Amino acid sequence: DAKTTQPNSMESNEEEPVHLPCNHSTISGTDYIHWYRQLPSQGPEYVIHGLTSNVNNRMASLAIAEDRKSSTLILHRATLRDAAVYYCILRNGNQFYFGTGTSLTVIP
Amino acid sequence: NAGVTQTPKFQVLKTGQSMTLQCAQDMNHNSMYWYRQDPGMGLRLIYYSASEGTTDKGEVPNGYNVSRLNKREFSLRLESAAPSQTSVYFCASSGLILAGVTSRTDTQYFGPGTRLTVL
Repeated sequence: DAKTTQPNSMESNEEEPVHLPCNHSTISGTDYIHWYRQLPSQGPEYVIHGLTSNVNNRMASLAIAEDRKSSTLILHRATLRDAAVYYCILRNGNQFYFGTGTSLTVIP
Repeated sequence: NAGVTQTPKFQVLKTGQSMTLQCAQDMNHNSMYWYRQDPGMGLRLIYYSASEGTTDKGEVPNGYNVSRLNKREFSLRLESAAPSQTSVYFCASSGLILAGVTSRTDTQYFGPGTRLTVL
């Protein structure tokens, strides 16, 4: 069974914020929440990660629910280059558990 | 600085044939990983090597073997390929060593992938 659940696809208008949700109801106390994205015909690339607190970096923000059973990746202003499959991942030590991902379409 | 490189980019095998997928990284990373990605799915971990000289099974290790040849290189071998092993294979690395101490960087860097078809 998948450890994370994400919507299959989402759309966003260019220049608008995007909120990508992820459910991970069976998360353990030592699991980190990671987000990676994958452009067509490329390997995944790191976006952001966190454990309990919300996190910000130059690419995105990560909002983690207080009970840690869900999280949301926030892209503040979507661009056409943000069109990709976004994976919500649980990491425990060296084991990364990928979900099936959300395919984000950005509409010009 | 090439990052993570994989060879070959594409390969077609017949059932029962063997082959080795090569992976190399030039970022002085401690840990290396092999994943497979099936159509419409996320990546699944096959094997990983936390440091030179060690390897461990991931989520889907059956039918594969690995070798951590040195710090830079981590190979994946299919001894007797099966159609169920048709997939895209990704290698990744993480963990930067500075002044003899491994920092707890959580970022994995992925190679471009090898597309394998087993007929």
